[in-house]
Amino acid sequence: DTGVSQDPRHKITKRGQNVTFRCDPISEHNRLYWYRQTLGQGPEFLTYFQNEAQLEKSRLLSDRFSAERPKGSFSTLEIQRTEQGDSAMYLCASSLGQEPKGETQYFGPGTRLLVL
Amino acid sequence: SQQGEEDPQALSIQEGENATMNCSYKTSINNLQWYRQNSGRGLVHLILIRSNEREKHSGRLRVTLDTSKKSSSLLITASRAADTASYFCATAGAGSYQLTFGKGTKLSVIP
Repeated sequence: DTGVSQDPRHKITKRGQNVTFRCDPISEHNRLYWYRQTLGQGPEFLTYFQNEAQLEKSRLLSDRFSAERPKGSFSTLEIQRTEQGDSAMYLCASSLGQEPKGETQYFGPGTRLLVL
Repeated sequence: SQQGEEDPQALSIQEGENATMNCSYKTSINNLQWYRQNSGRGLVHLILIRSNEREKHSGRLRVTLDTSKKSSSLLITASRAADTASYFCATAGAGSYQLTFGKGTKLSVIP
């Protein structure tokens, strides 16, 4: 399978715990994006990487959230001291990185987080 | 915050009928993309239309873009039960690669 993969697919945690999600983009894609989607809503942008550089961050990305893409390949999204409001589907997407005016983003299956 | 608004919020049609969904947005864009999402799953890309394009086709899908009205429409012809899903439009603004999504249209195709 050469699509975007995410791990884990589901995560249940208790309030106050830290969680980390992983995203593996399509292999030749330079751009990687994280989004969050709550029930009944469209996805909301969190952050974006061009290779290993984190170039855009949403105001939704509070200081409890941190994302990395250390070698310009896979990425991790960590949430510290989780709150019940963090319960959502976390979606990762990647794109080729050749179009200056934006291009198709390919999404992974998502990680569904439930904070009890 | 969501930039786009899809209309209608929900649509129920019989198999074989056409389905039309509309999307309106607020700021100038570089491109607009339509995605499909089956319940609880990831998003599947359908079509990307750039700001200098007016219409694109892909199989049974037809997308139009009117930048003067800041609106787009997605037409699915000869719908099938397998088209049942939520459909989202997403815009990419000038100077940014992030996509801004609407709340989606929930399409039900009845066999």
